[in-house]
Order: sequence, then structure tokens, then C-alpha cells
Amino acid sequence: GAVVSQHPSWVICKSGTSVKIECRSLDFQATTMFWYRQFPKQSLMLMATSNEGSKATYEQGVEKDKFLINHASLTLSTLTVTSAHPEDSSFYICSASAGAMGEAFFGQGTRLTVV
Amino acid sequence: LAKTTQPISMDSYEGQEVNITCSHNNIATNDYITWYQQFPSQGPRFIIQGYKTKVTNEVASLFIPADRKSSTLSLPRVSLSDTAVYYCLVGEGNQGGKLIFGQGTELSVKP
Repeated sequence: GAVVSQHPSWVICKSGTSVKIECRSLDFQATTMFWYRQFPKQSLMLMATSNEGSKATYEQGVEKDKFLINHASLTLSTLTVTSAHPEDSSFYICSASAGAMGEAFFGQGTRLTVV
Repeated sequence: LAKTTQPISMDSYEGQEVNITCSHNNIATNDYITWYQQFPSQGPRFIIQGYKTKVTNEVASLFIPADRKSSTLSLPRVSLSDTAVYYCLVGEGNQGGKLIFGQGTELSVKP
């Protein structure tokens, strides 16, 4: 199947700093990518839809100024957590759809810990 | 997007067949049923998708009754490595990747 890669796999940052997470579609082009957040023992929560060449669409309750999304090419979307705080510590996962069935392929996720 | 209901957890033993049922009473005519598997600290992995009757692949089978208000994921002869959370999702195709996840079923396979 199609491959979606995230980088880094884990990151620790100090409170107040910003962290960028990259999501790449390695063997296909993705005009749309999706960002999810998952807290321990909880399900994935859709944060935003990343659209190549245009602004991202954020789900209700997600602060667009805090979670900056850039989708500058057909294979790369980035999520920047600005002024991170401990409550932003979570598992962030991106996805993109590919193939005839349009099934979603997920990255391996990024574990963010804010200290 | 139709809401789904699954058991929160299930236990099984190696070599057994595991059936996880998902209820989706408000499924729409254009909706497909898709199941994903997630291991700890990993992104979800597509398992199987179906619209009606039965679908089978190398990993699992998906049974969908005529009214499509429920579906059952069947995992034959599970092993310890099948311990994971299984999510049932309902939507138009794969919503182009935009997925609304329910709580999922945490399957624990014991030796």
C-alpha cells in the first residue's frame, strides 16, 4: 500500500517553544492530508484538513493560530504547534488517501512531550 | 457521518476466531463500512472495507447483513500480535481520508 511518513517520531520540547511535525506521502501525491490528535487511551480526534496550496480547514474547537498547518507541495504537509504547553502533549498522526478505493493511509505518528 | 457503537474491549485466546460487531443504525445509502487496526504508538492501519454481504481478504472477513445497520469483523485464528484497538468507521467511501473515529474495541489476545 501507499506510504505516509512522519518526522520526527517523537519530540520533547520546552514549554513556550514551537515544534514542527512533517507528514510526507512517499509514493503518491496527496492534495489533501489530515491531522489527528490522540490522547492516551482515547480515540483519534480529527484536528484539521490540510489542502495543498490553500488554507487548512480546522475542526470546531481547534485553534488555528496554535496549530499552524502548511501544505506547500503535493507530498508534504507540516503541523507546527506554536507556544507549546504541557497540555499539548499528545500523539499526533497524519493521513492521506490513495488508491482506487481511496482508503486512508496513516503516518506512524509523532509523540510530542512538552515539559 | 453515521455514528458507530462497538464493545469497548474483548478478550480472546490464541488460535480462536474473534468476531467484533459494530452497530451503525443511521448508515446512509452511499456509506461504506471500514475497519482499521491500531497498535500502541502507531498510526491506524486499514484492514478491510465493504458495502454489503461479505468481503474477505488475507487478513479478515467483513460480514454485513442486508439492512446494513451492523457489521462484523472476523479475525480467524488470532495470535498475540493481533492485540490492538480495532475501529469501525462508516462513511462515503473513505471520506477521502477524513475519518471520524469512534471509541474502538480493544482486543486482548492471551496465550
